[in-house]
This record gives sequence, C-alpha cells and structure tokens, in this order.
Amino acid sequence: KAGVTQTPRYLIKTRGQQVTLSCSPISGHRSVSWYQQTPGQGLQFLFEYFSETQRNKGNFPGRFSGRQFSNSRSEMNVSTLELGDSALYLCASSVGQAQADTQYFGPGTRLTVL
Amino acid sequence: AQRVTQPEKLLSVFKGAPVELKCNYSYSGSPELFWYVQYSRQRLQLLLRHISRESIKGFTADLNKGETSFHLKKPFAQEEDSAMYYCALSGGSRLTFGEGTQLTVNP
Repeated sequence: KAGVTQTPRYLIKTRGQQVTLSCSPISGHRSVSWYQQTPGQGLQFLFEYFSETQRNKGNFPGRFSGRQFSNSRSEMNVSTLELGDSALYLCASSVGQAQADTQYFGPGTRLTVL
Repeated sequence: AQRVTQPEKLLSVFKGAPVELKCNYSYSGSPELFWYVQYSRQRLQLLLRHISRESIKGFTADLNKGETSFHLKKPFAQEEDSAMYYCALSGGSRLTFGEGTQLTVNP
C-alpha cells in the first residue's frame, strides 16, 4: 500500500496570510490526525478527523482548522499566519476503529512564515 | 491530563554496548504506549507498541505500571540505530509525545 502523502512538502508564507495543507491517508484508513512539530515544543496534537467529523482537538487557537472529505483525504488550514506558526506539520492516518490504532505518519509539510 | 517525559535529550553509546532510553508517563486510565523512531531524513515510523509485546530490530520495551515507565532497551547497539526516538501515549484517538531522545551510536 502507498504510504501517507502530504502536499506541498515546503511552503513559504508571510505574516497575515493563510495556508492550506493537504493529506492523503493510506487506502482504507478513515482516521486522519494532524500534529505540529517545532524544536521548542516538540510534537503537539492539533486535531483528528474520523469519517468527516472532528473527533478530537488539541489546544490550538481557532486559527487552526481542518476538514475531512468523504474519501478520507484531509486538509488543514491556518489563517492569519504568525511567525510562531513556522513548523513541520505532520499528518498521520490510522484505521480508526479502535482508539489506540497505530498511526502512520506522512513526511510532513515544512511551513516557514516570514 | 496525560504526559510523557523522556529525561534524556541526548544519549551517546558505543557500538555493541547496551542502550536504554527512558520514558515515564502520567495517565489516569489504562495506557497504550508506543515508541516511534525518526531516522535522518525519514518520516516518523512506529518502532513498537507495548500491546504487541514484539521485539523490533532487537529493541524491547516493558510497560511498568507501578513505576509508570516504558523504557526502550537493546542489548547491543548498532550504528544504524542512531536516530531520534519518541515515546508516545495514546489517550483516546490522540498521541501525546515525549520530547524525544537523540541516540548516537559511535563506532
């Protein structure tokens, strides 16, 4: 099976702009989770979608939002970008039936905010 | 609240030496614990999970509920084990990660 894919791989934006990141899960996986990875804060959970519904949410401001489509692909949006949003954004997919299913990670999207 | 602590940010050992990466957790329920590894320029990947009790690449980890620990061990480290290792706790459908330990195995 093909692994989790994320597009784009690299992105440069300026403060105040918005950005949309995309994630395609492993075929048959219905759960998609998003994480932010920074040198200072490490890996932090953003949110999780299962069957087009947000099932879990981390402690991030409302500028961070997401959605999931009927084919399980997911997008994450960040509005009014701040310098501190510069990070590697990781997407992970799992079957989603059991809450502790193994999550498989994509390569990430490196976002730089200038 | 759930929390994962990896006390060592950096760990350096010689090839053939035993290695132990420490992980402690805080969780009120019954924990599901994982070790993920990230080799240079590669994506984060699952190394092992406690529920499967497998040995992957010679690594093992035992869940100690009394000490709330899930330390990762390998009796004889290899140079190809050099990587970043993350301990993670599953609380529901979210993973909480530790800060990570950068393991370097010297020849």
